[in-house]
Amino acid sequence: SQTIHQWPATLVQPVGSPLSLECTVEGTSNPNLYWYRQAAGRGLQLLFYSVGIGQISSEVPQNLSASRPQDRQFILSSKKLLLSDSGFYLCAWSGDTSKRNTIYFGEGSWLTVV
Amino acid sequence: QKEVEQNSGPLSVPEGAIASLNCTYSDRGSQSFFWYRQYSGKSPELIMFIYSNGDKEDGRFTAQLNKASQYVSLLIRDSQPSDSATYLCAVNQAGTALIFGKGTTLSVSS
Repeated sequence: SQTIHQWPATLVQPVGSPLSLECTVEGTSNPNLYWYRQAAGRGLQLLFYSVGIGQISSEVPQNLSASRPQDRQFILSSKKLLLSDSGFYLCAWSGDTSKRNTIYFGEGSWLTVV
Repeated sequence: QKEVEQNSGPLSVPEGAIASLNCTYSDRGSQSFFWYRQYSGKSPELIMFIYSNGDKEDGRFTAQLNKASQYVSLLIRDSQPSDSATYLCAVNQAGTALIFGKGTTLSVSS
């Protein structure tokens, strides 16, 4: 069966500091990978998605970036965090066409920028 | 811009009642429709998906889709306190990422 893991689970970072969130998927190959953000009182916002190694699509212009160095690894980064970057970050994968490419989420990472 | 709209709630129902959650979407090209449940502080988990007009049942849950009206709903029969959560509606076209609504908060009182 497929599993998805992301880390760290929680972090508190000062404004202007860098960020790195990592996500890995097991039990499948060539998945589509996603980063979503859920800010307080707001819905799930798609940040990036990737259909393959090195292929990244950005949905929202911002100071975040994403990379996919390996087939089942997805990384979200920032060089300098802003207060507005606080939120719940969710990595997700899809790839089972029999399930209409349902996406499955990792456990999430709580980021507080202070 | 593609949009998915949900009433934020809270929707309050007594234990054992039927909870009805509604969702509308703007993109007529949407092909698949999903319902997720999200407990406070946790990541969303899939309840079910639907892609044909009509009803689809899975245990106590029934999803209903009406593409002509661009409307999808989720019915929860025999609601339990453990069903108290935020319910997210999501839609997509083939090969695209899911677009989510902001969710409806459901509270089931015992």
